Amino acid sequence: DGGITQSPKYLFRKEGQNVTLSCEQNLNHDAMYWYRQDPGQGLRLIYYSQIVNDFQKGDIAEGYSVSREKKESFPLTVTSAQKNPTAFYLCASSLGDSGNTIYFGEGSWLTVV
Amino acid sequence: AQKVTQAQTEISVVEKEDVTLDCVYETRDTTYYLFWYKQPPSGELVFLIRRNSFDEQNEISGRYSWNFQKSTSSFNFTITASQVVDSAVYFCALSDTTGANSKLTFGKGITLSVRP
Repeated sequence: DGGITQSPKYLFRKEGQNVTLSCEQNLNHDAMYWYRQDPGQGLRLIYYSQIVNDFQKGDIAEGYSVSREKKESFPLTVTSAQKNPTAFYLCASSLGDSGNTIYFGEGSWLTVV
Repeated sequence: AQKVTQAQTEISVVEKEDVTLDCVYETRDTTYYLFWYKQPPSGELVFLIRRNSFDEQNEISGRYSWNFQKSTSSFNFTITASQVVDSAVYFCALSDTTGANSKLTFGKGITLSVRP
């Protein structure tokens, strides 16, 4: 089935550790995104990528890093520099052109312990 | 700057009631797109509808209907004869059309609880 797969669903991290969230899509979409969701805050854009080997910062990129080595993959690394990493992270993709519908994965819960 | 306001934070209704979720947006673009997404307890955001700024016709899909009014910058969502399965968080979003990218600005969401 076509879709966006995120893993792991639940992840626990110790303070000071980096952690990488995986996102894979088989929709042949050009653009991919990472959003963060906090209770009562809606979704905020972390990073996005329009094409392979290119990506741009979103509204809250500090403490995060991404790579886009393959069209279907857009992993997000939450670094130790991220002050409040506990959140729900959503990966998404779209055809990329302005106004195209953005489709989302099932999300990953990250908890810092 | 773009902004989406969902003033209602939580709504609780009894099954079979109609319920309207409000969405007000701000943008300087003349061309823009509006979306509604549903987030059930599982967490995934489910796409419901996409509407461009030039199409002000209301849309109906089963029990769902959307009322787009540019004059008031609103894109409201009505569920008719609500069901327990409609319980979820609903997000309204606005697409940035500057440049070649499609990015979304979200409202904070409305938590809808439908009681049996």
